[in-house]
Amino acid sequence: QKEVEQNSGPLSVPEGAIASLNCTYSDRGSQSFFWYRQYSGKSPELIMFIYSNGDKEDGRFTAQLNKASQYVSLLIRDSQPSDSATYLCAVHNYGQNFVFGPGTRLSVLP
Amino acid sequence: DTGVSQDPRHKITKRGQNVTFRCDPISEHNRLYWYRQTLGQGPEFLTYFQNEAQLEKSRLLSDRFSAERPKGSFSTLEIQRTEQGDSAMYLCASSTLQETQYFGPGTRLLVL
Repeated sequence: QKEVEQNSGPLSVPEGAIASLNCTYSDRGSQSFFWYRQYSGKSPELIMFIYSNGDKEDGRFTAQLNKASQYVSLLIRDSQPSDSATYLCAVHNYGQNFVFGPGTRLSVLP
Repeated sequence: DTGVSQDPRHKITKRGQNVTFRCDPISEHNRLYWYRQTLGQGPEFLTYFQNEAQLEKSRLLSDRFSAERPKGSFSTLEIQRTEQGDSAMYLCASSTLQETQYFGPGTRLLVL
């Protein structure tokens, strides 16, 4: 059973701080990694994807991947109350299913 | 709005009834996925299509569930003889071969 694990949270950070969200996965053959944001009652929306080890930055978001440690993270700089949501990590091995983690609830306090 | 649409957005049904959901993917996307999501959990893979071919179906999916994508465009997911445990959000996503999936708004099913 391929697994993706995330801390369920809630993770609370003050407005303007850096939020750090973590994800570990069990399938060493995984090749692509995705972060989705999901507001309550809504469907997931893509934030970022990453394929290679290292960092990938997009605006206030940075994804970090370490395949040797089977670890992917998402950093949100200058957190805003509108960032309060559940963040889903998804992992894909080519030719196989996408596997989603349970999500981490983030609360940004004004 | 990602361009993926689902219908209906909400469905209430009685146990034992059949329900059918529709998904219209982004037009140039040849892959279409169905997921089920319950409260506090991430999306759980059900099945996926590449064009009209159903390439994989979750082992967790009972034979009461069936999906089709007859012309490689829209897809339907049917649940026969619904049970209360089928109550969930049913999500459709589409992608190109480059894998990044875009989700529709979902269909929320409540089985009474």
